[in-house]
Amino acid sequence: AQSVAQPEDQVNVAEGNPLTVKCTYSVSGNPYLFWYVQYPNRGLQFLLKYITGDNLVKGSYGFEAEFNKSQTSFHLKKPSALVSDSALYFCAVRERNTGGFKTIFGAGTRLFVKA
Amino acid sequence: EAQVTQNPRYLITVTGKKLTVTCSQNMNHEYMSWYRQDPGLGLRQIYYSMNVEVTDKGDVPEGYKVSRKEKRNFPLILESPSPNQTSLYFCASSSTGSPDSYEQYFGPGTRLTVT
Repeated sequence: AQSVAQPEDQVNVAEGNPLTVKCTYSVSGNPYLFWYVQYPNRGLQFLLKYITGDNLVKGSYGFEAEFNKSQTSFHLKKPSALVSDSALYFCAVRERNTGGFKTIFGAGTRLFVKA
Repeated sequence: EAQVTQNPRYLITVTGKKLTVTCSQNMNHEYMSWYRQDPGLGLRQIYYSMNVEVTDKGDVPEGYKVSRKEKRNFPLILESPSPNQTSLYFCASSSTGSPDSYEQYFGPGTRLTVT
């Protein structure tokens, strides 16, 4: 069965420093991997995805993520954090099965960026 | 404007009183899905639909029903709500044509309290 793990409930980083939010996954086939962000009292917004191809994918707001097949990881990164990046981040994997698409989300990681 | 709408946004009800949360999208997406968000558990998929009249269970379907009679609408029905269904609910939609368009678009959420 597919699964997603976000090992950190919370990540704290100072503004201007690089940030990493970790995600590992388990799927039976080739994964479709996603990162979403949730700002307070808002719905989820898509940040970036890995479908195939380059292991480093770039997304919205300066975020990028590195797909590592051997480590089954898809960590979210940003070279220089902003206070406005403070939010709840979800990693998700989508897998095609006989019924269609199931999507599994991680538990989420809350990012705090301090000025 | 491309969007997913949900109604109502907030709902307080009593145990056993049937309710429906509506979801509508204007992007002509084939795929629609319902999730519930609970602290520490992330988002869990309730039901999803690959197209009109095609629905399938997610990971937590017990106590919920859905229908997909029109492409744009995907209502979530709680026929006999119980307190353990108190949660934040999100509807989402996406294309199914190409993996490059598999990211989901989320509604603003419905906060349901069952007393």
